[in-house]
Amino acid sequence: QQQVKQSPQSLIVQKGGISIINCAYENTAFDYFPWYQQFPGKGPALLIAIRPDVSEKKEGRFTISFNKSAKQFSLHIMDSQPGDSATYFCAASRNNFNKFYFGSGTKLNVKP
Amino acid sequence: NAGVMQNPRHLVRRRGQEARLRCSPMKGHSHVYWYRQLPEEGLKFMVYLQKENIIDESGMPKERFSAEFPKEGPSILRIQQVVRGDSAAYFCASSPPEGLDEKLFFGSGTQLSVL
Repeated sequence: QQQVKQSPQSLIVQKGGISIINCAYENTAFDYFPWYQQFPGKGPALLIAIRPDVSEKKEGRFTISFNKSAKQFSLHIMDSQPGDSATYFCAASRNNFNKFYFGSGTKLNVKP
Repeated sequence: NAGVMQNPRHLVRRRGQEARLRCSPMKGHSHVYWYRQLPEEGLKFMVYLQKENIIDESGMPKERFSAEFPKEGPSILRIQQVVRGDSAAYFCASSPPEGLDEKLFFGSGTQLSVL
């Protein structure tokens, strides 16, 4: 059973455009929602995270939008750059994040 | 401050052999997690350990897989009698003692290939 569903599987965006990746979850007990960025041959690295008490969090060009009632959250990458080309994973956890449930990943390709 | 160190980076085993994957957490981190990533898939939780204790092993297959985090030395993920389906990237992550931070730091992974 997939606890966190992620879409799209792949995404092509022109340089300077906005990249949007969506995730949905079922378990209302989840209370921590991070996004990870992974480059080929590397481990995932934390990009940005949000808790359900806020609807949006912004860090530089990266923004998480969170909709608690719809049980959905999304990552927006503004002014996308070729260096942003990577695989992005959403995740969810509960009770001090001891176990993360990851989405299946989105491969982002930003065209120059 | 070195990050999470995993070795080896690549491991090739024949069916039936044993695989040992090692993970040294970041300095000051006492919690270790193992995740498995199959091609084109997300990471799947396997086990969560603290020093000398297995806290949550709900993601570990019941047979052939074991993990430990001894008082001294790295955490070890051990896979006995490997099969082709064990081929995957295995990632270790660490975090500080509970309450200090809410970040999970991943190593670069061990790519296991079973021939």
